[in-house]
Amino acid sequence: GDSVTQMEGPVTLSEEAFLTINCTYTATGYPSLFWYVQYPGEGLQLLLKATKADDKGSNKGFEATYRKETTSFHLEKGSVQVSDSAVYFCARTDTGRRALTFGSGTRLQVQP
Amino acid sequence: GAVVSQHPSRVICKSGTSVKIECRSLDFQATTMFWYRQFPKQSLMLMATSNEGSKATYEQGVEKDKFLINHASLTLSTLTVTSAHPEDSSFYICSARYEGGNTEAFFGQGTRLTVV
Repeated sequence: GDSVTQMEGPVTLSEEAFLTINCTYTATGYPSLFWYVQYPGEGLQLLLKATKADDKGSNKGFEATYRKETTSFHLEKGSVQVSDSAVYFCARTDTGRRALTFGSGTRLQVQP
Repeated sequence: GAVVSQHPSRVICKSGTSVKIECRSLDFQATTMFWYRQFPKQSLMLMATSNEGSKATYEQGVEKDKFLINHASLTLSTLTVTSAHPEDSSFYICSARYEGGNTEAFFGQGTRLTVV
């Protein structure tokens, strides 16, 4: 079935460091891919998305490119800030239905 | 973007009582809404898909008699946790999508349920 695999956290970085959070997905159907962010005690907010191969989603300095050949959608940011500390979820649309399948989430901790 | 409002954000209830959680799409019509459950430090697990005017579709392992879902209108879905027990304590999140296309899902703020 559909699945999404994320790198395990927590990821701890210093402010202004480069961030990469790996995400791979099962290659069933033609999914749309998403990154959501969850701040402590809150729901999920869409960070960025890509709907087809080679699309690049970007928002707030974060980027991810839909790579069909490697079934990946890695999240990157060139210079993280303390305010980026949160849990990041990679997700894909389910094949045949309209729910989302989520990765396990990666906690990012940015230290000043 | 579209707004999904979930209420309450936090609730504490006694074992054996029932709790209702509301999920509203404020500025769009959502024929389909989804209910997820999130255990501490874990991902979101789909519980059920709520379809306006028809019965919800539950995921395997989710007790439909315990987690009652009603989708009475195009802007409101409710999840009622019946006869709650401490193991039902969790973070419940709803989401809704526009009709058609591969658009993103819009999520409510979540409800933290604590059963004591």
